[in-house]
Amino acid sequence: KQEVTQIPAALSVPEGENLVLNCSFTDSAIYNLQWFRQDPGKGLTSLLLIQSSQREQTSGRLNASLDKSSGRSTLYIAASQPGDSATYLCAARVGGTYKYIFGTGTRLKVLA
Amino acid sequence: DTAVSQTPKYLVTQMGNDKSIKCEQNLGHDTMYWYKQDSKKFLKIMFSYNNKELIINETVPNRFSPKSPDKAHLNLHINSLELGDSAVYFCASSSEDGYTFGSGTRLTVV
Repeated sequence: KQEVTQIPAALSVPEGENLVLNCSFTDSAIYNLQWFRQDPGKGLTSLLLIQSSQREQTSGRLNASLDKSSGRSTLYIAASQPGDSATYLCAARVGGTYKYIFGTGTRLKVLA
Repeated sequence: DTAVSQTPKYLVTQMGNDKSIKCEQNLGHDTMYWYKQDSKKFLKIMFSYNNKELIINETVPNRFSPKSPDKAHLNLHINSLELGDSAVYFCASSSEDGYTFGSGTRLTVV
């Protein structure tokens, strides 16, 4: 049974810092992995999608990596800004299914 | 606008009532989902339909019944609402490019 965990659960950093959010999954047979952000009281916004055959994806200040053999994905945020404050969620799509299993989320606060 | 839209955005109702949440996507995706986000913000899948066919049905009370009249619509009907049903319900659709989520329906049962 696929389980997805995210560490840390909460993170507070000063503006300008580079930071890494971690996502671990127990079953390496994933189809893809997607990172989302969720602002308070809002829906989920897709940030990056990494297919199982890929090692990383980049969008602006964000870079996501995927290491299936170790069951890990990381989201790197460069030069963090107060507007990056949100909850970040990773979701792994179980291979051979349409089911995404969500992680527990990392609540990020970037201080001005 | 291309999107996943769900209505209503907020729903406050009394215990025992029956209510429905509607979802529509115009992205041309074949697969749609209902997720429940609890007070601890954990997202858990409830149902999924692919081309109007139920493909995922997690351990959900049978008071919850999804209906997909066509592949662009997925509705959720809840009978005999209980206090524990209070949560945010998200609709989503997916393609090979990943998930797109609706903005959520905040259900409060009083």
